[in-house]
Amino acid sequence: AQSVTQLDSHVSVSEGTPVLLRCNYSSSYSPSLFWYVQHPNKGLQLLLKYTSAATLVKGINGFEAEFKKSETSFHLTKPSAHMSDAAEYFCVVSDSGSARQLTFGSGTQLTVLP
Amino acid sequence: GAVVSQHPSWVICKSGTSVKIECRSLDFQATTMFWYRQFPKQSLMLMATSNEGSKATYEQGVEKDKFLINHASLTLSTLTVTSAHPEDSSFYICSARPPGQINYGYTFGSGTRLTVV
Repeated sequence: AQSVTQLDSHVSVSEGTPVLLRCNYSSSYSPSLFWYVQHPNKGLQLLLKYTSAATLVKGINGFEAEFKKSETSFHLTKPSAHMSDAAEYFCVVSDSGSARQLTFGSGTQLTVLP
Repeated sequence: GAVVSQHPSWVICKSGTSVKIECRSLDFQATTMFWYRQFPKQSLMLMATSNEGSKATYEQGVEKDKFLINHASLTLSTLTVTSAHPEDSSFYICSARPPGQINYGYTFGSGTRLTVV
C-alpha cells in the first residue's frame, strides 16, 4: 500500500523568497516520487521525479526536491518564488509493486504575494 | 515527447444527455490510459484504468454503466458520461505513460471541465 501526505493545504510566500512545500510518503516497495503543478483549469505538468537515482532531484523552473528515506519525505523547494509559481502542487507516489497506479497527495495551493 | 491531448477542454450539457471526452496519445502508443476526476480544490481521484482492446478496470464506487470507457486503439481512449446530472459536473483528466518506461513521469491531458445544467 502507498500513501502521500502533503502537510500544508496552503502556503503563502512573498515574491523572491524561498518556497518549501512538504510531502511525506509511505510505500511498501521502492517508490518513485513525483511533483506535479496544476494551474487553474489546466492539466498537470511534471516538475520533477525521483526514481532511485540521485536523492537530490532538480526539476523545471528552478524547483528541486530531496528524497530522504529515513524521514520518508520528498519536500519541494525553490530558492526564490516568482509570481508565475502560484498554482496547485501535487506530490505523487508510485511504488514498484503497483506500477500502474499513482497515489496523489491532497495538494498544496501556493500563493505568491507581490 | 510523450504528449497527451484531451478534448474538449470544456463542455456544457443539459441534464440527461451524454457527453464524450477523448484522450489521445500523440507521439506514443498507450496500451493503458487512466481517467481521473477532480472536484474543486480537491486532489485527483482515479476513476478507471482504460486498457486497449479489453474492458476498463473501474475503481470502487465508480459506476461503470454511467462512465463508459472505450479504448479502441493504441492512441485513443474515450470516456462517455451517460445521462449526465449536475452532480457529474467536475474536472476530468486523463493520463498515460510511454510503454516500458516505469520510471517516466505520467503525462496528463489538459483536462475537461464538464458542467451539467
